[in-house]
Amino acid sequence: RKEVEQDPGPFNVPEGATVAFNCTYSNSASQSFFWYRQDCRKEPKLLMSVYSSGNEDGRFTAQLNRASQYISLLIRDSKLSDSATYLCVVTLGGYNKLIFGAGTRLAVHP
Amino acid sequence: DTGVSQDPRHKITKRGQNVTFRCDPISEHNRLYWYRQTLGQGPEFLTYFQNEAQLEKSRLLSDRFSAERPKGSFSTLEIQRTEQGDSAMYLCASSLLAGENTGELFFGEGSRLTVL
Repeated sequence: RKEVEQDPGPFNVPEGATVAFNCTYSNSASQSFFWYRQDCRKEPKLLMSVYSSGNEDGRFTAQLNRASQYISLLIRDSKLSDSATYLCVVTLGGYNKLIFGAGTRLAVHP
Repeated sequence: DTGVSQDPRHKITKRGQNVTFRCDPISEHNRLYWYRQTLGQGPEFLTYFQNEAQLEKSRLLSDRFSAERPKGSFSTLEIQRTEQGDSAMYLCASSLLAGENTGELFFGEGSRLTVL
């Protein structure tokens, strides 16, 4: 079983749509949780951290359920510029060793 | 540009040849990571340095792979006797040692390896 598993993509949605990505992780010792964004042929960049209490950053909302080992990302009012691959990430160990999921590709169309 | 830089950006080589990639992290960052990414997959952890010490190596890193970080600044990743399965994007990332695990790694643009 992969350490981090994500919804298979791609997600093709119209502008303005709300889209949700799900992710599960296998290691209950995972300490921290994040969503990274990777544009086509570019390097990954941190989108947001994920906290147990849930957190929001503008149109983006992240949720964590430690009991179910489940992470989600909700994007409201999708923009063309949101088109990218969204990587679910957990850390193991005390030094920012990031374990990435395979990513879910989002394509927002006019 | 004060970001993470990697060189070369692209490398095409024949099977059996040796290749070396270089990474220059953000200057004040003392943590350096190498990842490998293939098409349709997320980055896979290869190895991690804190200053000049290599503290962890993934089992993905066979004995043909070696990484160094002399003097705790730039790092090199060498692949000996390359195989077609080594074809991938090799990503370097750095971060600052901090009391809180922020999860933010700063990635370079990667070195794309094609083994013919």
